[in-house]
Amino acid sequence: KAGVTQTPRYLIKTRGQQVTLSCSPISGHRSVSWYQQTPGQGLQFLFEYFSETQRNKGNFPGRFSGRQFSNSRSEMNVSTLELGDSALYLCASSKIRSGANVLTFGAGSRLTVL
Amino acid sequence: ILNVEQSPQSLHVQEGDSTNFTCSFPSSNFYALHWYRWETAKSPEALFVMTLNGDEKKKGRISATLNTKEGYSYLYIKGSQPEDSATYLCAPSGGTSNTGKLIFGQGTTLQVKP
Repeated sequence: KAGVTQTPRYLIKTRGQQVTLSCSPISGHRSVSWYQQTPGQGLQFLFEYFSETQRNKGNFPGRFSGRQFSNSRSEMNVSTLELGDSALYLCASSKIRSGANVLTFGAGSRLTVL
Repeated sequence: ILNVEQSPQSLHVQEGDSTNFTCSFPSSNFYALHWYRWETAKSPEALFVMTLNGDEKKKGRISATLNTKEGYSYLYIKGSQPEDSATYLCAPSGGTSNTGKLIFGQGTTLQVKP
């Protein structure tokens, strides 16, 4: 069973550019959540998509956006990159069924902004 | 905004030692508490999800308990092994429903020396 796939794994951008990251969830998982991990802040929730709709949003500026497609694949976009956006971006998928929700994480996309 | 605290921040133990970590979270509007293990160069891996006050979960040498009334959870590792070296993250759900939004603590980094 394939896991959560994130692409690209590594990328380098310069300030002012924009970036798009992709996440393919486990087959059958309809929820995709995005998290940012930085050394100082730990893992912070960005947003969650379910059935092509944003269901939850974290405390990030509008430069961070996302979307989900009908096949549950999700993309997140960061526009006008800043140095502080350098981080590991993780996506996680889950089934969203009754009871508590287990997240399965991808390997992450490591973004460096120069 | 949920404030999730984990202690200790880091821990060094000898192989064979037993150890435990603490996770504190606001007890109001509780839905579920997750524990994840994050090994270096890997993805966070779900260990436990607990929802009920008094819940106890066990997976091999690792177990966890939950007290939702006072807002804390303990993770125990019996007879630590070098392969247990990782960062252990706790995360209550960021709301009162079953979603992919989790609020992660800063984690406890465990190093087990052979």
